[in-house]
Amino acid sequence: DVKVTQSSRYLVKRTGEKVFLECVQDMDHENMFWYRQDPGLGLRLIYFSYDVKMKEKGDIPEGYSVSREKKERFSLILESASTNQTSMYLCASGLYRGTDTQYFGPGTRLTVL
Amino acid sequence: QKEVEQNSGPLSVPEGAIASLNCTYSDRGSQSFFWYRQYSGKSPELIMFIYSNGDKEDGRFTAQLNKASQYVSLLIRDSQPSDSATYLCAVSGGNAGNMLTFGGGTRLMVKP
Repeated sequence: DVKVTQSSRYLVKRTGEKVFLECVQDMDHENMFWYRQDPGLGLRLIYFSYDVKMKEKGDIPEGYSVSREKKERFSLILESASTNQTSMYLCASGLYRGTDTQYFGPGTRLTVL
Repeated sequence: QKEVEQNSGPLSVPEGAIASLNCTYSDRGSQSFFWYRQYSGKSPELIMFIYSNGDKEDGRFTAQLNKASQYVSLLIRDSQPSDSATYLCAVSGGNAGNMLTFGGGTRLMVKP
């Protein structure tokens, strides 16, 4: 079974704080993704990565950065958290070749006060 | 114009009935189609995927793809209250390449 884990289920931070969200997958997948999900807006892609040290912007990268130093780990960084970044953050991983299937982690519900 | 469209619902069906969930997409070059189930407060869980025109069955679930009409549907037979969730349609290929483009989801309610 594919396992994607995220460092926290719930997180509360203050405006201006630097926030790290960690994601780890155990299936040797090349692709990893960060999404946010908001009511009425659906799933929106923030950043993705096809390989170690490689990153690409998704649809809404502003205010975020990412890091992928190891194949199994993909981190999302909020450099200076703002209240409009309060959301559910979902990490996903998938194989690069043969299928575009993505498997999701449990999600982190981030509240920025 | 949204690239992947779903009726947000809620779609309400009685227990034991067939639930029919529909999804249309705009990119004619799309090649892969996925259905995810998402319970409230949880993350999306893959139910099934389909690549070719026609039907694909997996237990109580059947995915149907019609590329000419650009729609994909999910049928759930013998619906159970535990099927109550939001169902997300996702599409890849075409202009999106390997990326998944998600619809907004349809909320299904199965009433006992």
